[in-house]
Amino acid sequence: EIVMTQSPATLSVSPGERATLSCRASQSVSSNLAWYQQKPGQAPRLLIYGASTRATGIPARFSGSGSGTEFTLTISSLQSEDFAVYYCQQYNNWLLTFGQGTKLEIK
Amino acid sequence: QVQLQESGPGLVKPSQTLSLTCTVSGGSISSGSYYWSWIRQPAGKGLEWIGRIYTSGSTNYNPSLKSRVTISVDTSKNQFSLKLSSVTAADTAVYYCAEGGGGMDVWGQGTTVTVSS
Repeated sequence: EIVMTQSPATLSVSPGERATLSCRASQSVSSNLAWYQQKPGQAPRLLIYGASTRATGIPARFSGSGSGTEFTLTISSLQSEDFAVYYCQQYNNWLLTFGQGTKLEIK
Repeated sequence: QVQLQESGPGLVKPSQTLSLTCTVSGGSISSGSYYWSWIRQPAGKGLEWIGRIYTSGSTNYNPSLKSRVTISVDTSKNQFSLKLSSVTAADTAVYYCAEGGGGMDVWGQGTTVTVSS
């Protein structure tokens, strides 16, 4: 099983500032990495796939980077609606695994 | 755009079998090449992938649940289903169905299942 580790667990950032979230895989997943946003009471929403490709309708302020074992999700200028929990997920292996999540909160 | 909707009992007794259905609308479950997954999330916790079924009918299951899980497709009803046997309180969670082979870009709204006597 590929273990996905996200950091930090909680990130406090002010609106308008940049947020950088990290995800590390226990072994290489190439670029087979997705990012999701989840708000309370809602299903996760796909933001990024292929480590850096934005899903349909996702604003340009969301960007993903990395390959192998180290990945980053960057939100360039935080809007009020961006405060949520973010998960990474690898699909390099048939056993899909998620990180434990990073909660992005308002500072 | 495909839409997904979970349905099934909200309360299941310990040791019984949890059965959920995901209805696909806006597209055919058997056309194209798709993976149909089940994911669960205990209250206040992270996401756990349970397993998936491919359009061809092949399946993959999370080894942590494999002995108890069955995912199947009913093409006549445009649905896929989850069965989880011998449930305990640890299986209490919101259960989601989702579509996607890598990044899952379509999700149901989720259904809460509580295991309690």
